[in-house]
Amino acid sequence: TQLLEQSPQFLSIQEGENLTVYCNSSSVFSSLQWYRQEPGEGPVLLVTVVTGGEVKKLKRLTFQFGDARKDSSLHITAAQPGDTGLYLCAGALRDDKIIFGKGTRLHILP
Amino acid sequence: DARVTQTPRHKVTEMGQEVTMRCQPILGHNTVFWYRQTMMQGLELLAYFRNRAPLDDSGMPKDRFSAEMPDATLATLKIQPSEPRDSAVYFCASGLVPWRPYFGPGTRLTVT
Repeated sequence: TQLLEQSPQFLSIQEGENLTVYCNSSSVFSSLQWYRQEPGEGPVLLVTVVTGGEVKKLKRLTFQFGDARKDSSLHITAAQPGDTGLYLCAGALRDDKIIFGKGTRLHILP
Repeated sequence: DARVTQTPRHKVTEMGQEVTMRCQPILGHNTVFWYRQTMMQGLELLAYFRNRAPLDDSGMPKDRFSAEMPDATLATLKIQPSEPRDSAVYFCASGLVPWRPYFGPGTRLTVT
């Protein structure tokens, strides 16, 4: 069974602080994605990383794919209340299945 | 702005009743996924289709769940009979390439 472990499960920090959330697996993925989900809505894709070691930036968010394509991290600089939400990582397997981690629930306090 | 639509958005039913959830994928998308989300298990893949053909439904309890695509504009997920443990939010997603799914708003199912 392929599993994606996300940590931490919950994170509550003050506005302006930096944070990093992690996504780890024993499986190798052809690509890895990060989503953000808000209450009552479906997940929305933020970024896809494909190459081992790849780093992508989306404004204050920095995404990194591990060299072995088994893990990833999301770093947020100067967190804002609008960053509050559930962050999900998802890995694409060779048969095109996409499996999700359970998510990190992030709360930014004003 | 093309979106995946799902109906109903909310469904409350009694144990033993049949439940049918519907999804209209984005026009032109050839891959459709069904996921179930709970607090305990997160997002679980139930089934997915490519060009209307089922590719994998190993995530579904076969005895009570069934997924079909009668045509390219409609995907259905049926539960018969429903049980309280089926209570969850069910998401449909579609994509042109499998690693770029667009999610619908979900159907929140409560089985009492």
